[in-house]
Amino acid sequence: RKEVEQDPGPFNVPEGATVAFNCTYSNSASQSFFWYRQDCRKEPKLLMSVYSSGNEDGRFTAQLNRASQYISLLIRDSKLSDSATYLCVVTGGGYQKVTFGTGTKLQVIP
Amino acid sequence: EAGVVQSPRYKIIEKKQPVAFWCNPISGHNTLYWYLQNLGQGPELLIRYENEEAVDDSQLPKDRFSAERLKGVDSTLKIQPAELGDSAVYLCASSLDGPSGRSEQFFGPGTRLTVL
Repeated sequence: RKEVEQDPGPFNVPEGATVAFNCTYSNSASQSFFWYRQDCRKEPKLLMSVYSSGNEDGRFTAQLNRASQYISLLIRDSKLSDSATYLCVVTGGGYQKVTFGTGTKLQVIP
Repeated sequence: EAGVVQSPRYKIIEKKQPVAFWCNPISGHNTLYWYLQNLGQGPELLIRYENEEAVDDSQLPKDRFSAERLKGVDSTLKIQPAELGDSAVYLCASSLDGPSGRSEQFFGPGTRLTVL
């Protein structure tokens, strides 16, 4: 089992739709969780951190479920500009090991 | 403020040749990361430095890969000899970290390596 798993997609959704991605992790000692966004042929950039209490930033909501060992990202009212690959990142355990998921590709269609 | 700088942006070499990548992190960032990213995959950590110390190099193929971060600022990643399977994008990132590792990583544009 991979340490961090994501559905690679692609998720093709119409503008205005709500879409959700999950990311599962295997190390129960993981401590920090993030969502990064990566546009085609560009570097990853932080979208948001994921806190135990969940957090929201505009149309984006991230949540952590420690019992089931997954994090989620919800995007409401999808825009064309949301088309990108969304990478989950998990940090923790020995050496504060950093592990990226393979990414979930989102394509928002007009 | 300047972001993470990497050079070269592109490199094409023949297999068995050596290659080196350079990274200059954001000023003041104590943590530096080197990642390898293959097409359609997420970045895979090769090595993480805190200041001058390599605190996680468990994923670095030490038979052919080496890295250094002299004076805790710039870093160089080297491959010798390169193999066809090393073709990928090599990303450098930096962060201003405390012990928790919760800080945002800032990535450079990457070096796209093609091994022929």
